[in-house]
Amino acid sequence: KNQVEQSPQSLIILEGKNCTLQCNYTVSPFSNLRWYKQDTGRGPVSLTIMTFSENTKSNGRYTATLDADTKQSSLHITASQLSDSASYICVVSRSGGYNKLIFGAGTRLAVHP
Amino acid sequence: NAGVTQTPKFRVLKTGQSMTLLCAQDMNHEYMYWYRQDPGMGLRLIHYSVGEGTTAKGEVPDGYNVSRLKKQNFLLGLESAAPSQTSVYFCASSRWTGNGFMNTEAFFGQGTRLTVV
Repeated sequence: KNQVEQSPQSLIILEGKNCTLQCNYTVSPFSNLRWYKQDTGRGPVSLTIMTFSENTKSNGRYTATLDADTKQSSLHITASQLSDSASYICVVSRSGGYNKLIFGAGTRLAVHP
Repeated sequence: NAGVTQTPKFRVLKTGQSMTLLCAQDMNHEYMYWYRQDPGMGLRLIHYSVGEGTTAKGEVPDGYNVSRLKKQNFLLGLESAAPSQTSVYFCASSRWTGNGFMNTEAFFGQGTRLTVV
């Protein structure tokens, strides 16, 4: 079954600290993996897209890694800010169609001052 | 450039009532999608469209209908609302590239929170 599992479900950190969010997937055949940020009451916004051949990609303070062999990805946030408080969603795309995005349930991050 | 705009942002319906959610994009994207987001679950695809005049079923299409009469608009209809359709609905769009759709970014609207009582 094609699934995307994220951990932890929720996380609280202090402003300025780093954190790492995890994503495990069983989607096949794999095309690419995306991380989205979703602020409360808003739609998801893309952070990174990684294909099979990429094992790391950065977007400012966000760095995503991908291990296609173990089917794991992580999103590392450096020097967190209050504005990082949001849900982070891992999305895996299957090859072969435009309708084949498999969404994780997300990790809800709260950054406290 | 507004991106993807959804109308309305909030709505409360009584069981059995009907309504239409409107999605408009100004990026000239070929592909448009409707998703629903429920607590503790990932977004699930309801219907999608690969171009003007075309629609197709997604993962959870029952109880919904869609139309794409114009390239920039994608409408989601509920013919007879049920409490199980209480959810947050997101529209998204993406473009076709020479390398195919799969690596292009999907842009989402701000969502419509629908409650069916």
